[in-house]
Amino acid sequence: DQQVKQNSPSLSVQEGRISILNCDYTNSMFDYFLWYKKYPAEGPTFLISISSIKDKNEDGRFTVFLNKSAKHLSLHIVPSQPGDSAVYFCAASEGGNEKLTFGTGTRLTIIP
Amino acid sequence: GAGVSQTPSNKVTEKGKYVELRCDPISGHTALYWYRQSLGQGPEFLIYFQGTGAADDSGLPNDRFFAVRPEGSVSTLKIQRTERGDSAVYLCASSAIGGQAGYRYTFGSGTRLTVV
Repeated sequence: DQQVKQNSPSLSVQEGRISILNCDYTNSMFDYFLWYKKYPAEGPTFLISISSIKDKNEDGRFTVFLNKSAKHLSLHIVPSQPGDSAVYFCAASEGGNEKLTFGTGTRLTIIP
Repeated sequence: GAGVSQTPSNKVTEKGKYVELRCDPISGHTALYWYRQSLGQGPEFLIYFQGTGAADDSGLPNDRFFAVRPEGSVSTLKIQRTERGDSAVYLCASSAIGGQAGYRYTFGSGTRLTVV
């Protein structure tokens, strides 16, 4: 049972445009959400997070939106840069539990 | 060290053999996590240590898998009687404190285990 789903395995975006990565979840007990970025042969690195008490969090070019009623979150990257090309994982946690549940990832390719 | 170090980076073993995977967390990080990433999947939780003790081992798939952290720093993931389905990248992560900041793991580069 996949509790965190990233339905788009890949996405290509022109440099300078907006990249939007989507994530859906089924567990209504999840209350903290994170995005991780992964380059080949490296471990995932933390990008941005959001608590369920908020609906938006922004950090530079990265903004995460949370829609609790739809159990949906999205990551917006604007403007997209070639160095953003990587696999992006959505992750979630419930009730202060240290364990994270990850989605299957979306491979983002920024086209120069 | 500056980051989380995992050794070996690659391990090929024969079915039925025993393997040990090592993780050196960031110095001072009290929390340590093991995840497994199979091809085409996201990382899957295995076990979480707070200090020397396993605070949550609910992700270990069966009793062939065991992990230790005897001095609250380096951790070893041990797999007995390896099976081809154990082939995956095993990721270790550490974090400084619990709570929401604790979710911002620093991952190592992983050990790619191949069972032939």
